[in-house]
Amino acid sequence: VIWMTQSPSLLSASTGDRVTISCRMSQGISSYLAWYQQKPGKAPELLIYAASTLQSGVPSRFSGSGSGTDFTLTISCLQSEDFATYYCQQYYSFPRTFGQGTKVEIK
Amino acid sequence: EVQLVESGGGLVQPGGSLRLSCAASGFTFSSYSMNWVRQAPGKGLEWVSYISSSSSTIYYADSVKGRFTISRDNAKNSLYLQMNSLRDEDTAVYYCARDHLRALGAKDYWGQGTLVTVSS
Repeated sequence: VIWMTQSPSLLSASTGDRVTISCRMSQGISSYLAWYQQKPGKAPELLIYAASTLQSGVPSRFSGSGSGTDFTLTISCLQSEDFATYYCQQYYSFPRTFGQGTKVEIK
Repeated sequence: EVQLVESGGGLVQPGGSLRLSCAASGFTFSSYSMNWVRQAPGKGLEWVSYISSSSSTIYYADSVKGRFTISRDNAKNSLYLQMNSLRDEDTAVYYCARDHLRALGAKDYWGQGTLVTVSS
């Protein structure tokens, strides 16, 4: 099983801020990593796959980087609609595993 | 438009059974591998099960292995999850999710979820 450590669990930020979320793997996964956004009461939505490829329709203020064991999701200029919970997920092997989630709240 | 619509959730007693369904539309269902992912109230996401496009490959999380069975009917554009010997800790919203065609394992479309509550 590949364990994932996502940090921070809670991030307080203001509109316009640049924020970064980290995801660390217990073993290397090349670039087999996805990032999701989930708003309360809604299903998750795919933001990024292959560590850094933006899913169609996702704003360019979202970006992903990293490979191997350390990955980062960056939101370059936080908008009001970005306040949500974010999850990383590895798809290098089964069982698929998710990070614990990072809630981005209004400061 | 891609749509995934889950159904079949509800209240069930511990030890009971439930069958979830996911109706797919707007894409060629038989070309995509599919998954079930769940989320306990107030908790994070947990992958539950995977089935390949032809049903030839199936995987389960250890937490449900031997109790849950995933299946699909490509002629009916439907995905299923048979859940037996349900436990309190199976209480969750269950989502069906489609694997990305170019990034197998990333989930590019999700249903709205169906709530399963296991309680006496």
